[in-house]
Amino acid sequence: EVQLVESGGGLVQPGGSLKLSCAASGFTFSGSAMHWVRQASGKGLEWVGRIRSKANSYATAYAASVKGRFTISRDDSKNTAYLQMNSLKTEDTAVYYCTRPATGDGYNPFDYWGQGTLVTVSS
Amino acid sequence: VIWMTQSPSLLSASTGDRVTISCRMSQGISSYLAWYQQKPGKAPELLIYAASTLQSGVPSRFSGSGSGTDFTLTISCLQSEDFATYYCQQYYSFPWTFGQGTKVEIK
Repeated sequence: EVQLVESGGGLVQPGGSLKLSCAASGFTFSGSAMHWVRQASGKGLEWVGRIRSKANSYATAYAASVKGRFTISRDDSKNTAYLQMNSLKTEDTAVYYCTRPATGDGYNPFDYWGQGTLVTVSS
Repeated sequence: VIWMTQSPSLLSASTGDRVTISCRMSQGISSYLAWYQQKPGKAPELLIYAASTLQSGVPSRFSGSGSGTDFTLTISCLQSEDFATYYCQQYYSFPWTFGQGTKVEIK
């Protein structure tokens, strides 16, 4: 059974940093891209970024709203993806989901999602 | 950036109704479009991908159509468990984008 479990959320002050983790199981993690999607309370879904597999050079892509502040990485030996968030702003407050594309590392929609972890940026 | 216009934002309907939700792109995306259902406090669930292919396990009352710039999600006979928020998503080019969402509520 595919499982994605996020952790690391919490309260952080504006300008601070936080690192989220996404532990994966039930599929070949090393062959899959991994994405992060966020959702502010009462708002819609916003794609944050993705990291591809080793076969695709761990290529990353980011939304304009987080580019230069957020970094996605992965550790295939631990079946875990990470989202390092720096220079956090109040508008980054959201539930952060990790998710995987339906088939490996291509252009596919998301068939499995984690339960989400809440990040609150506030003084 | 591909902009998406999803409509309506709110849809009031009754059990048994046929409902349609529209998603329009600012540029053509072939059939690289998915539809998700989200219930309060839960992660989204994939309903349809490639514009019209039903995800495994999704009831056949859900269907999708369209290509290029105009897409539609149809629920043929609304059930109580279908009251939720629906999102379209393009995965044709980065940044991948979602529609604004359509909340389907009980009339």
